[in-house]
Amino acid sequence: AQSVTQPDIHITVSEGASLELRCNYSYGATPYLFWYVQSPGQGLQLLLKYFSGDTLVQGIKGFEAEFKRSQSSFNLRKPSVHWSDAAEYFCAVGGRAAGNKLTFGGGTRVLVKP
Amino acid sequence: ETGVTQTPRHLVMGMTNKKSLKCEQHLGHNAMYWYKQSAKKPLELMFVYNFKEQTENNSVPSRFSPECPNSSHLFLHLHTLQPEDSALYLCASSQEPGGSTDTQYFGPGTRLTVL
Repeated sequence: AQSVTQPDIHITVSEGASLELRCNYSYGATPYLFWYVQSPGQGLQLLLKYFSGDTLVQGIKGFEAEFKRSQSSFNLRKPSVHWSDAAEYFCAVGGRAAGNKLTFGGGTRVLVKP
Repeated sequence: ETGVTQTPRHLVMGMTNKKSLKCEQHLGHNAMYWYKQSAKKPLELMFVYNFKEQTENNSVPSRFSPECPNSSHLFLHLHTLQPEDSALYLCASSQEPGGSTDTQYFGPGTRLTVL
């Protein structure tokens, strides 16, 4: 069965500093990988996704993620964090073998210090 | 209205009540989903509808009853709920049926509290 692990439950970062959120997945075939963001009181919004091709993916709001098959990882990065990036971030894995089921990680809550 | 809307945004109900959650997508998508988001658990898929047909029931208790009258509307009927059912219920939709290979668009959720 597929699974996603986000090792960091909380991360605190200063405004203007860089951010990296870790995501490790387990999936037996070619994965489809997603990062979503959830602001307080809101639903999830897609930041970026990887299906195939270039392993460095650019997303919205200045985020990027890198797919590393050898490490089963899909880490999310942003070079300079803004206060509005404070939110919860979810990594998810799916794929043709997964059928209907997109599996989410437990999430990482990001706090931004002024 | 644009995107995916959900009503009500907040709901408090007793264990003997019957209520319904409503979801509407304005994106022309073919698939719709219900998810449960609890404080201590990852996002859990509950039901999937592709072209109005239920294609996934992720071992959800029968006190949750989904209904999809057309491809734009999805309901979750609730009855005889338990306090542990208190959670944020999220609706989502996607263009491509299947759900795990296409972007899903989420509504803002209904915060449910069961007393």
